Amino acid sequence: DTEVTQTPKHLVMGMTNKKSLKCEQHMGHRAMYWYKQKAKKPPELMFVYSYEKLSINESVPSRFSPECPNSSLLNLHLHALQPEDSALYLCASSQGTGGNQPQHFGDGTRLSIL
Amino acid sequence: RKEVEQDPGPFNVPEGATVAFNCTYSNSASQSFFWYRQDCRKEPKLLMSVYSSGNEDGRFTAQLNRASQYISLLIRDSKLSDSATYLCVVNMGSAGGTSYGKLTFGQGTILTVHP
Repeated sequence: DTEVTQTPKHLVMGMTNKKSLKCEQHMGHRAMYWYKQKAKKPPELMFVYSYEKLSINESVPSRFSPECPNSSLLNLHLHALQPEDSALYLCASSQGTGGNQPQHFGDGTRLSIL
Repeated sequence: RKEVEQDPGPFNVPEGATVAFNCTYSNSASQSFFWYRQDCRKEPKLLMSVYSSGNEDGRFTAQLNRASQYISLLIRDSKLSDSATYLCVVNMGSAGGTSYGKLTFGQGTILTVHP
């Protein structure tokens, strides 16, 4: 069982919809991440939050908007997505961002854009 | 050159076999190294961190060669449940750098263990 919880597990939305993906961890980790993973490809980093502040944005289009309300929660707000945005979205957390800090992944939200 | 490069695979081995995966990374300043496994349509799960002195966890042994920028994973006595994609993962960040905390994933190597 993963200690990083993501909801929803599956999401189908139209290109004009607004939806949010949610991620929660209660391990006391201070760094949280969003990744996008297409089929048969490795995860690609989107955003890194460290101590609730955005520290890395990997040039992600503005139709993806991250939010970190507190140290346990991470949201990804979606608006006006494109069909090519269909993918598995993974949240991860780690104790910090430095040194030998492995990241622990949630089981993802499988997103389909119609 | 890719930042993290793995054996292309796929590997198809019988139960009980020993199998080795190799990985090279391009950034000599890389800080930390991991092997993750990912089952089909599941999330990546940490298999083990890789330390400079090499480390072992049961049937799994990881090695790091910083001079050659090379990481390996050895699986002994393969089980059917070892079938998965194995991801070589490198943290290339350095203290104060903008890429601190960024993991870079290899393309993954698919392992199938058959009866």
